[in-house]
Amino acid sequence: NAGVMQNPRHLVRRRGQEARLRCSPMKGHSHVYWYRQLPEEGLKFMVYLQKENIIDESGMPKERFSAEFPKEGPSILRIQQVVRGDSAAYFCASSPWAGDNEQFFGPGTRLTVL
Amino acid sequence: KQEVTQIPAALSVPEGENLVLNCSFTDSAIYNLQWFRQDPGKGLTSLLLIQSSQREQTSGRLNASLDKSSGRSTLYIAASQPGDSATYLCAANAGNMLTFGGGTRLMVKP
Repeated sequence: NAGVMQNPRHLVRRRGQEARLRCSPMKGHSHVYWYRQLPEEGLKFMVYLQKENIIDESGMPKERFSAEFPKEGPSILRIQQVVRGDSAAYFCASSPWAGDNEQFFGPGTRLTVL
Repeated sequence: KQEVTQIPAALSVPEGENLVLNCSFTDSAIYNLQWFRQDPGKGLTSLLLIQSSQREQTSGRLNASLDKSSGRSTLYIAASQPGDSATYLCAANAGNMLTFGGGTRLMVKP
């Protein structure tokens, strides 16, 4: 049973470009969570999705960031018009259901904005 | 709003010492608490998960305790080894999200 997969592992973008980060949850998991770790800072929750629904986006920046988890395919975190401050490690986690479940983390995508 | 604090922020010990890492959280309405290890530039490795109804969990040289009423958890590492050097993170689970502490950066010197 493969773990949570994220790709790409490293992504370099120039200011103003778009970044698309993909997350494939563990088999049987329908809940996906995105977290961001800025340089020298802790991990912060961004968004929680179930299939085709955004459940909690209280940690998402109001502009340029969006997330989706379609019926088929991976979850996508999309950052439009990237700025240097978006440089960070973005981690995805999944669980079979919410509440008292353990969240299983992917290896992360390290985004560098030049 | 849940806030999680970890003390100390950094710790350096000689090999073989037993040590305790501390984690405190402000809202006791949690489902569980997870401890993770993170090596520099790497992802998160889950170490232990304690459900809110449990008092402690053990895995090898690691033992984690949870006192929900006081908002505290501790991670005990026995007989520390240089390979234990990493950042240790605790995270409180309120259902929709994990709230992470800032981490304790551990260095075990040979």
